[in-house]
Amino acid sequence: QSVLTQAPSASGTPGQRVTISCSGNNSNIGTNYVYWYQQLPGTAPKLLIYKNNQRPSGVPDRFSGSKSGTSASLAISGLRSEDEVDYYCAAWDDSLRGWVFGGGTKLTVL
Amino acid sequence: EVQLLESGGGLVQPGGSLRLSCATSGFSFTTYALSWVRQAPGKGLEWVSSISGSGYSIYYADSVKGRFTISRDNSKNTLHLQMNSLRAEDTAVYYCAKGDTVTTGSDYWGQGTLVTVSS
Repeated sequence: QSVLTQAPSASGTPGQRVTISCSGNNSNIGTNYVYWYQQLPGTAPKLLIYKNNQRPSGVPDRFSGSKSGTSASLAISGLRSEDEVDYYCAAWDDSLRGWVFGGGTKLTVL
Repeated sequence: EVQLLESGGGLVQPGGSLRLSCATSGFSFTTYALSWVRQAPGKGLEWVSSISGSGYSIYYADSVKGRFTISRDNSKNTLHLQMNSLRAEDTAVYYCAKGDTVTTGSDYWGQGTLVTVSS
């Protein structure tokens, strides 16, 4: 059972905009930055969004992040077939004194 | 170019020990925090441990506290994870990752090393 809650799956059609949500509490998302990672099968996670809504260099602006209260969201616009991978949210938890991750969302492009 | 390269994984019996290493390059080693994150087969990401750039601040997940020890060799730009009293549920790919501080997210990850705990 992950501390951060993500829906296990999401889907969309090419060109569509999809949103992946991440729910936490006041010890993690409510107080600290949220990070989003993208993971292709058999590879290491790649940083997609940092500090709630910042994109690292090289990440397309199709990807955007937001946070409100104890929840965060990752939005992907102009959905493409290569977006069909796993996405994880993460945040530092002040009570647990450690990092917590969401269980991951597998995105399917129909 | 930032690089992190894990090594030391393998097959170990329950109750056994293993030491993972993560050789790094391309950044000022003592400036950044480092972490270990694992992923059991077919499962999600689980944070294991983090250490500050100075090495003075160390944190562990409850699942490994008392069994695993994180350390860094600043003379060799290398991160270590000593794993003792290994259990079947420790079976996972172990990634090392770099972050600005312990409480900021990791921006670069290694490719991972597989640890299998089985008799």
